[in-house]
Amino acid sequence: GNSVTQMEGPVTLSEEAFLTINCTYTATGYPSLFWYVQYPGEGLQLLLKATKADDKGSNKGFEATYRKETTSFHLEKGSVQVSDSAVYFCALIQGAQKLVFGQGTRLTINP
Amino acid sequence: NAGVTQTPKFRVLKTGQSMTLLCAQDMNHEYMYWYRQDPGMGLRLIHYSVGEGTTAKGEVPDGYNVSRLKKQNFLLGLESAAPSQTSVYFCASSYDRPANTGELFFGEGSRLTVL
Repeated sequence: GNSVTQMEGPVTLSEEAFLTINCTYTATGYPSLFWYVQYPGEGLQLLLKATKADDKGSNKGFEATYRKETTSFHLEKGSVQVSDSAVYFCALIQGAQKLVFGQGTRLTINP
Repeated sequence: NAGVTQTPKFRVLKTGQSMTLLCAQDMNHEYMYWYRQDPGMGLRLIHYSVGEGTTAKGEVPDGYNVSRLKKQNFLLGLESAAPSQTSVYFCASSYDRPANTGELFFGEGSRLTVL
């Protein structure tokens, strides 16, 4: 079946640093890809998505490009803030109902 | 804005006890889901519902039952809890199939410990 692999965490950065969280996937065909974020004490929420190869999803300064050649969907942000501290989940769609999630990467930004 | 609300948020059970987790959403969503999250693993789908009165099995349904008697509520039951069911449980809802939108709205999670 389809699967998602994220980089091991936790990740700790200083404010204004450049962020990359790696995500690679194994899938039949080219499923839609997503990044979800979970802020402390809250539920997961959709951060961005890409529905086909070469699409770039973006939101709140975060970007991710759907790369079919490398089966990757890495999350990037040019200058992180303390408020970006959260757990980030990469996911893909499988069938009509199922989202397949990676294990999550905890990000901590220090001032 | 309440969104998706889960109760209880924390619970400790002894092996063999039963309990029910309640998920309520106020967004008039058709689709509802129960996931569990374990350390080092992604969220795994337990059961889901595509509308009032319907339920379906997900990836890890064994040991759980669900009911969707009202559109706004989705209950997850553990009839005889086992230590392997120690986990964080997330409820989610959506207005359309994930294949169309990919956007699920999640509750804050319920942490269950089975001793």
